[in-house]
Amino acid sequence: DADVTQTPRNRITKTGKRIMLECSQTKGHDRMYWYRQDPGLGLRLIYYSFDVKDINKGEISDGYSVSRQAQAKFSLSLESAIPNQTALYFCATSDFGRGGYNEQFFGPGTRLTVL
Amino acid sequence: QKEVEQDPGPLSVPEGAIVSLNCTYSNSAFQYFMWYRQYSRKGPELLMYTYSSGNKEDGRFTAQVDKSSKYISLFIRDSQPSDSATYLCAMPEGAQKLVFGQGTRLTINP
Repeated sequence: DADVTQTPRNRITKTGKRIMLECSQTKGHDRMYWYRQDPGLGLRLIYYSFDVKDINKGEISDGYSVSRQAQAKFSLSLESAIPNQTALYFCATSDFGRGGYNEQFFGPGTRLTVL
Repeated sequence: QKEVEQDPGPLSVPEGAIVSLNCTYSNSAFQYFMWYRQYSRKGPELLMYTYSSGNKEDGRFTAQVDKSSKYISLFIRDSQPSDSATYLCAMPEGAQKLVFGQGTRLTINP
C-alpha cells in the first residue's frame, strides 16, 4: 500500500488555468514537501511545511501556492499555469528526529503538462 | 554554481560491470550524504546514507565520502539490469531540507 499518494497522476491543462495537485500520507509524519523535477535539473524544492500551521518557501516558489489542510494533507496550487511549469511534481514526507539525515519518503509523482 | 553537482549522464554499461557514480559539493557543513534511487515513473527512494567520511557497504553497493575533496561516490558491483534507474545524491542542509544533485540516469544492458 502506498504511504504517500498523489492525485492526479497525470494532468494536461492550458495556459492560464488554475490547477491543484493533492498529496496525502498515512505515515504520521509532520513534515511535508513539494518538489518539481526537470531533466538535467534534479529535484528542486517548491514549498515545505513542518506542521499544520507552518508553511515555508523553497527555492522556486514563484507562481505556486500551498495549503496544509491537515497533518496528512498538503496541496500545491498553480494559480495561473504557464508552459514552463510543465514538469514532474513530487510530494514527500519526513519525520524529524529519526537521525540527522532527514530521510524523505516520496509519492509516485504527478506529471503536469501545460499547453 | 549549484551546491551539489552530479553528472546527469546518461550512463550505459553492460551487465556485470562495476559502476561508479559521483557527486561534488561546495558546503563543508554537510555531515550526512545520501543516495536515492528512482525507477522510471516512480518517486525516489533512499538507497543508503553515510555519515562524515569513509566507506559504507550494503550488498553490491558501496558509498564513499571524501570530505577533504568534497566528493562522494556510489559504486555498484556486479551490476544487474534491475539496477537501471536514476541515482540522485542528496545532503541535508541543516534540519530543514535536502539538497539534491541533478541525478544520473543509469542503464545496465543484459
